[in-house]
Amino acid sequence: DVKVTQSSRYLVKRTGEKVFLECVQDMDHENMFWYRQDPGLGLRLIYFSYDVKMKEKGDIPEGYSVSREKKERFSLILESASTNQTSMYLCASSPPPGQGRTEAFFGQGTRLTVV
Amino acid sequence: AQTVTQSQPEMSVQEAETVTLSCTYDTSESDYYLFWYKQPPSRQMILVIRQEAYKQQNATENRFSVNFQKAAKSFSLKISDSQLGDAAMYFCAYRRREYGNKLVFGAGTILRVKS
Repeated sequence: DVKVTQSSRYLVKRTGEKVFLECVQDMDHENMFWYRQDPGLGLRLIYFSYDVKMKEKGDIPEGYSVSREKKERFSLILESASTNQTSMYLCASSPPPGQGRTEAFFGQGTRLTVV
Repeated sequence: AQTVTQSQPEMSVQEAETVTLSCTYDTSESDYYLFWYKQPPSRQMILVIRQEAYKQQNATENRFSVNFQKAAKSFSLKISDSQLGDAAMYFCAYRRREYGNKLVFGAGTILRVKS
């Protein structure tokens, strides 16, 4: 089975800190995604990557950056954490369409609190 | 831009009864995928069912089935013989078939199952 692993389940950081959220997948998927989940807003895409060193902005990229140096790892970086970035963060991976399974596979989520 | 709308923030169903969750989407594409994901309290997103737009036949997975109306851009999920374990947040999602494209999610519907 596909496994997507996020480095932390819960995280508490201080305002202004640089925060790294790590995600690793073991299925050699080209596509990887970072979503933010907030009540009433569903999942909103922050960034996605369709290949190593390739990235594209999603719907809410402000205040975030990403890094994909290796195919299996996709990192989300909060350059200077703010309280409005307190949220649940979900990482996902998927193969490109046309390669059998088309759905995304998700990690267990990181609940980040910025104080 | 593609959008996905779930108009029911919350639904309740009695155990063993049937419930239908609604989803509409907006797209100008003709070839795409639609998904229903389940997120239980554990936060792990689980794929419930998938529909490919070019297939006219509605997808079914055991007690879960969809009513896919392409012209109306509607994609509802029917859960038959509801069980306590079905209680969760349900998300409808859309993805273009084109390589590298992102998943777009609705805001979610909380399903409560009463015993």
